[in-house]
Amino acid sequence: DGGITQSPKYLFRKEGQNVTLSCEQNLNHDAMYWYRQDPGQGLRLIYYSQIVNDFQKGDIAEGYSVSREKKESFPLTVTSAQKNPTAFYLCASSIVGENSPLHFGNGTRLTVT
Amino acid sequence: AQSVTQLDSQVPVFEEAPVELRCNYSSSVSVYLFWYVQYPNQGLQLLLKYLSGSTLVKGINGFEAEFNKSQTSFHLRKPSVHISDTAEYFCAGGAGAGSYQLTFGKGTKLSVIP
Repeated sequence: DGGITQSPKYLFRKEGQNVTLSCEQNLNHDAMYWYRQDPGQGLRLIYYSQIVNDFQKGDIAEGYSVSREKKESFPLTVTSAQKNPTAFYLCASSIVGENSPLHFGNGTRLTVT
Repeated sequence: AQSVTQLDSQVPVFEEAPVELRCNYSSSVSVYLFWYVQYPNQGLQLLLKYLSGSTLVKGINGFEAEFNKSQTSFHLRKPSVHISDTAEYFCAGGAGAGSYQLTFGKGTKLSVIP
């Protein structure tokens, strides 16, 4: 079955360390996204990419970085510059184009202490 | 800019009772709207979508929503809820080109009481 795989499901890190969250899709979608979810805040867009080797900042990109070297993969690095990194991170993909619904992975819960 | 407001953060309802989860949007251009459901510690699943055409949209799991342009609303309804409907529901909308311009509401937690 096609889908989006995020790993790991739970991640624990010490403050000051960079950490990379994995996102792989086999839906053959050109567009991929990273969202951050905090309780009562909905979803906020961190980065998105519509084509390999190109990506754009979303609403809350500070302290995060991404790469898109392959169509199937869109890893997110949470750097030590991110002031409040503890959150639930969701990766999504879609067909490029207006009105395309997003397909989501099951998320990674990151806890930084 | 597009904004999406979910009017209730929590909605408790008894099993087999009807439920309505409210969503209002703001936009002066044509819009597209979605409802997603999120079960605990999982990603979001698409329930239904409105792109154009009929204002009554049917989705999965017996849910439906009505697009009301005059009231800028897109409320989600189900005539009889089950315990398994307990989840968080998100309304999302966009008015521009590309899904990256999708704006999500803050979510409504539906609790179904046995």
